[in-house]
Parts: sequence; structure tokens; C-alpha cells
Amino acid sequence: DAGVIQSPRHEVTEMGQEVTLRCKPISGHNSLFWYRQTMMRGLELLIYFNNNVPIDDSGMPEDRFSAKMPNASFSTLKIQPSEPRDSAVYFCASSLAGGTSYEQYFGPGTRLTVT
Amino acid sequence: SQQGEEDPQALSIQEGENATMNCSYKTSINNLQWYRQNSGRGLVHLILIRSNEREKHSGRLRVTLDTSKKSSSLLITASRAADTASYFCATDVYGQNFVFGPGTRLSVLP
Repeated sequence: DAGVIQSPRHEVTEMGQEVTLRCKPISGHNSLFWYRQTMMRGLELLIYFNNNVPIDDSGMPEDRFSAKMPNASFSTLKIQPSEPRDSAVYFCASSLAGGTSYEQYFGPGTRLTVT
Repeated sequence: SQQGEEDPQALSIQEGENATMNCSYKTSINNLQWYRQNSGRGLVHLILIRSNEREKHSGRLRVTLDTSKKSSSLLITASRAADTASYFCATDVYGQNFVFGPGTRLSVLP
């Protein structure tokens, strides 16, 4: 199994540009999570999907952030327009099912730098 | 403040020694998990412990849970240089999403 796949691994962009991060969860997993990690705020849950449906997006910072999961094998996190404070490592994770009884498998992350 | 907070923030030990990290949380939980993160990598699941369990083992790892004190501990025995990483506890708030603590940075010196 290839594990959770994220792309790109690194992204450097200028303020105001649109950024799209991509995630392929582990096949057969029904839940997908997007996290953001910074030194100041630690690891924050942005949004999670269950069976491709967004269940909780209360962690999405503001309207500049949007996430989609058009099918069970693909999800995107988009930031438009990007700002320097969005610089962080963004992780995607998947688990067998929703709830908290299952371990989450994390991807390698996308390091985003907004200048 | 955090739902779960690890203590200490940083820990430095010699190879072969045991390392103990603690996690305290505020609200009732159904499950608690521990994860490891090596520098520049994603998190890796270590152990899940349910609220009705008191102790679990996995290899050199031992996790305890005291729901009356709202705390958990992770013990790594006979540490190795490869155990150098950050360790996070994740607690579920009312059975909903997991909230991760700020982590403990463990350095195991050869």
C-alpha cells in the first residue's frame, strides 16, 4: 500500500496567488482529514470528510480556504488568495471510518511558503 | 488552551534509558491516541487506548490512562537514537474529532 499521497511536497508562491494542495487517501478508507501545522499553533484540524461529505469545517480559518472531495480517492485544499500567514505544513490523513476509534494515517505533508 | 497538553515540552535522555511523557486533558474522552513525528515527516500512529482501558503495550511502548485524573502517559523503554522525534497525544472531545497537543520533543543521545 502506498499510504496517503500528497502533492506537491513543497510549494512556494507569492501573496495573492491561488494554491491548491492535493491528497489521495488510502484505498478503502472512508474518512479524510486536512490539518495545518505551525510552530505557533501546533497541529490544527481544518476539515474532515466522511464518505466524501464534509462533516466538520469549523477549523477552516476563513473564506479564503476551501476543500473538496469529489470522489473517494481524491481531495483538494485550496487557498485563494494566499497570504504569508498561511505558510505552514499541510497534512492530509485518512482513516477507515469516522469517529475516533480508528487510527489516522498521515501523508508526508505539503510545506507551503507564501512570500 | 489545549484540550490535551503534553509534558514535558522537551526531554533529552541517553540511549538505553527510559523516557516518560505525560498528557493531560480537560474534557471527558472516549479514546486517546499517541503519535510520533520524525522531523520533516507526517505523524505515525503508535497506540490507541479507550476510556475503559487502563494500560496498553506495544513493543517497547507502554501507555497508561487515568480518566479520574484526566491524564495519560507514554513510556518508551530502552530508548534508541531512532526514537528521537516529537510525540503527540490526541484526545477526542465528546467522541468527535481528535485534538492534538503541542507535543513533547524527545532527543535520545547516543
